[in-house]
Amino acid sequence: SQQGEEDPQALSIQEGENATMNCSYKTSINNLQWYRQNSGRGLVHLILIRSNEREKHSGRLRVTLDTSKKSSSLLITASRAADTASYFCATGEGGGKLIFGQGTELSVKP
Amino acid sequence: DSGVTQTPKHLITATGQRVTLRCSPRSGDLSVYWYQQSLDQGLQFLIQYYNGEERAKGNILERFSAQQFPDLHSELNLSSLELGDSALYFCASSQETGGKAFFGQGTRLTVV
Repeated sequence: SQQGEEDPQALSIQEGENATMNCSYKTSINNLQWYRQNSGRGLVHLILIRSNEREKHSGRLRVTLDTSKKSSSLLITASRAADTASYFCATGEGGGKLIFGQGTELSVKP
Repeated sequence: DSGVTQTPKHLITATGQRVTLRCSPRSGDLSVYWYQQSLDQGLQFLIQYYNGEERAKGNILERFSAQQFPDLHSELNLSSLELGDSALYFCASSQETGGKAFFGQGTRLTVV
């Protein structure tokens, strides 16, 4: 079962530009998380925002959560070529499920 | 290194066969998740265990089963394998259910 839908599916930018990815979900959640995956490797946790939070920062990452619209966005500022990866949102639901979206493929060109 | 260990890394087997994938969670993590990742289906949640008990179920086929043992390692059993079962299978662990998860490097299963 897929909970999150991510937009865009693919994003190509130049180094130094900002990258914004969006995630929409359907059910009530306890938290929303963002993960990164380099080609064929395990996912790496980036940031978690709880359902009662609206914005969170971690280094060059900024996450917002709008529970009324059931949506979240991930902003990566001053992108680097090393940020090239797939980014997934995941919703932490009651009962323990952690459901992932289809992901956004980010390509940062040097 | 996430601290989550999955074995084997690669597995090639024939249709109709049965395989077992193994996962050792991070020290102290009670929750284990299994996911299947294929090109056309994205990252599909299969099943979650917490301290030995099944906690949540996703799109897990009847041909697949899993369990979590008293030492908290988990196994995913896939039987009567079909070509469409070829995928990356990930295990993840977390301290709390639905919280920050740490992923293993995956088992790449190829069914021929």
